[in-house]
Amino acid sequence: AQSVTQPDIHITVSEGASLELRCNYSYGATPYLFWYVQSPGQGLQLLLKYFSGDTLVQGIKGFEAEFKRSQSSFNLRKPSVHWSDAAEYFCAVVPIYSSASKIIFGSGTRLSIRP
Amino acid sequence: DAGVIQSPRHEVTEMGQEVTLRCKPISGHDYLFWYRQTMMRGLELLIYFNNNVPIDDSGMPEDRFSAKMPNASFSTLKIQPSEPRDSAVYFCASSSAQGVTESNQPQHFGDGTRLSIL
Repeated sequence: AQSVTQPDIHITVSEGASLELRCNYSYGATPYLFWYVQSPGQGLQLLLKYFSGDTLVQGIKGFEAEFKRSQSSFNLRKPSVHWSDAAEYFCAVVPIYSSASKIIFGSGTRLSIRP
Repeated sequence: DAGVIQSPRHEVTEMGQEVTLRCKPISGHDYLFWYRQTMMRGLELLIYFNNNVPIDDSGMPEDRFSAKMPNASFSTLKIQPSEPRDSAVYFCASSSAQGVTESNQPQHFGDGTRLSIL
């Protein structure tokens, strides 16, 4: 079955430290890949997306993600986190050339920042 | 630019009452999505529209749920009668179709309606 896995439910990092949030997918072919962030009391905001081409994707707020086909992964990274990065992060996939209704969100990773 | 606007932001009502959630998508977007978010089930797609027409409502949990999109700038999600298990945050999102497929277009989310059914 098609699935998206975010293995880390909750991560705490110190302000200024580097961050990596994991996302693995299970599909027959490479899907479209997205990372969204949800701040408390708000909706989801797109951080970045991958369709094809360069496997290292740059997003907003200093985030980047790397697509690794061999590992079926699309991990989100940031070299130095800020207290304002505390939020919930969702990986999402859509099978290529499918209906938009086929989007599947991961269960999310909650990021806390230690002062 | 104005984003997706949802109202109300919070709704508290007693079970059995009718609840109507409202959404104004981003102007020019031709896809509109309704989601429900709970701790137990995460983010679930309920229904989506393309050019005001419902395309896939397979995620609508029961007949008590209905959604309409009378025009390109307005949609409603109605629950009648409401039950405590309907308590959740309901999100509306919109996107535009550019190119071959709409599935590669990111969705823009509203801030949600937090619904509590007592």
